[in-house]
Amino acid sequence: EADIYQTPRYLVIGTGKKITLECSQTMGHDKMYWYQQDPGMELHLIHYSYGVNSTEKGDLSSESTVSRIRTEHFPLTLESARPSHTSQYLCASSALPHRGQGFYGYTFGSGTRLTVV
Amino acid sequence: DAKTTQPTSMDCAEGRAANLPCNHSTISGNEYVYWYRQIHSQGPQYIIHGLKNNETNEMASLIITEDRKSSTLILPHATLRDTAVYYCIVRVAGGTSYGKLTFGQGTILTVHP
Repeated sequence: EADIYQTPRYLVIGTGKKITLECSQTMGHDKMYWYQQDPGMELHLIHYSYGVNSTEKGDLSSESTVSRIRTEHFPLTLESARPSHTSQYLCASSALPHRGQGFYGYTFGSGTRLTVV
Repeated sequence: DAKTTQPTSMDCAEGRAANLPCNHSTISGNEYVYWYRQIHSQGPQYIIHGLKNNETNEMASLIITEDRKSSTLILPHATLRDTAVYYCIVRVAGGTSYGKLTFGQGTILTVHP
């Protein structure tokens, strides 16, 4: 059973539409991330959050925006979808490491495959 | 973050051990080695991580050389379901950039019958 949920799993939408990709986690993780991945290509970090009301842009420039009003919820919004936004979007979360131990690991969602026509 | 180098692809026979190498010659003393894998169209899955000692869990073993410049992920008895892209990532566990993992190209492991 997944601890981090992304909806929808697949989305086909017309150019110019506003869309929100949902991501929720039930683990109480303070840190959450959005990655973008084109088929056969690397994952690129586009947004991250270290806690409620904290959001930062990632390493890859993106026209999307995010919000973090609740710990468990980290939605990603595209105000006006374009064909160039066609990609897979992966959400992840992580917790603070325990003192003396390394970073434990990310938990990823199953992803949303977005197609803009 | 230290850069990693992995072979583009590897093959392994089902039931045999899969040994996936990773070079990280510029690794710093406070950087950990993490391994993730991504099965087609799914989100990446955490496998294992280590600092300098060898590590083992239910999924795999991680062997880190004494100088920490390279490591090997070992899947002791590979199955067809282990076919995936395997990512070796070197990352600090603290600081202002804490938590952000940077994924490279990874190694495409194909397990065949």
